[in-house]
Amino acid sequence: RKEVEQDPGPFNVPEGATVAFNCTYSNSASQSFFWYRQDCRKEPKLLMSVYSSGNEDGRFTAQLNRASQYISLLIRDSKLSDSATYLCVVFKAAGNKLTFGGGTRVLVKP
Amino acid sequence: NAGVTQTPKFQVLKTGQSMTLQCAQDMNHEYMSWYRQDPGMGLRLIHYSVGAGITDQGEVPNGYNVSRSTTEDFPLRLLSAAPSQTSVYFCASTGAGWAETQYFGPGTRLLVL
Repeated sequence: RKEVEQDPGPFNVPEGATVAFNCTYSNSASQSFFWYRQDCRKEPKLLMSVYSSGNEDGRFTAQLNRASQYISLLIRDSKLSDSATYLCVVFKAAGNKLTFGGGTRVLVKP
Repeated sequence: NAGVTQTPKFQVLKTGQSMTLQCAQDMNHEYMSWYRQDPGMGLRLIHYSVGAGITDQGEVPNGYNVSRSTTEDFPLRLLSAAPSQTSVYFCASTGAGWAETQYFGPGTRLLVL
């Protein structure tokens, strides 16, 4: 089983709609969680960190569920420019290990 | 402020050739790392460094060497290229540790024939 798993998608989303997707992690000792965004043929860039209490950044909301070992990302009022691959990243302090998921592709269509 | 730069952008090699992928950052970051990204897979750590003169192996180090003689530069050397090393390579840096924001370079697309 992969340490960090994501549905590869694509999630086809009408412009203006809401889309949500999850990322599961296998190691309960994982401590920090992040969502990165990667545009086609570009480098990943940090979208947001994920805090235990959940956090919001504009149209983006991230949640952490430690009991079920997953994090989620919700995008409201989707824009064409939200089309990208979203990478889930999990950090474990023991071993100083950062693990990337394979990414979830989101396509926002007019 | 250039951030993290990588050269070359694209490279085609023949099996057995060697080459060096360059990475430089101008943010005075101590932590630097090299990843490879293959279709359907997450970024996998090749080698990393926590400061000048200090390097260590990541998840997939075989066939690659690194050195860190300065804070700014972290080159990745392919010793004898193999088709399995066809991939996109990203260099990243971070200032305060692995749990902080990773700043990635634009990537090098490598094809080994």
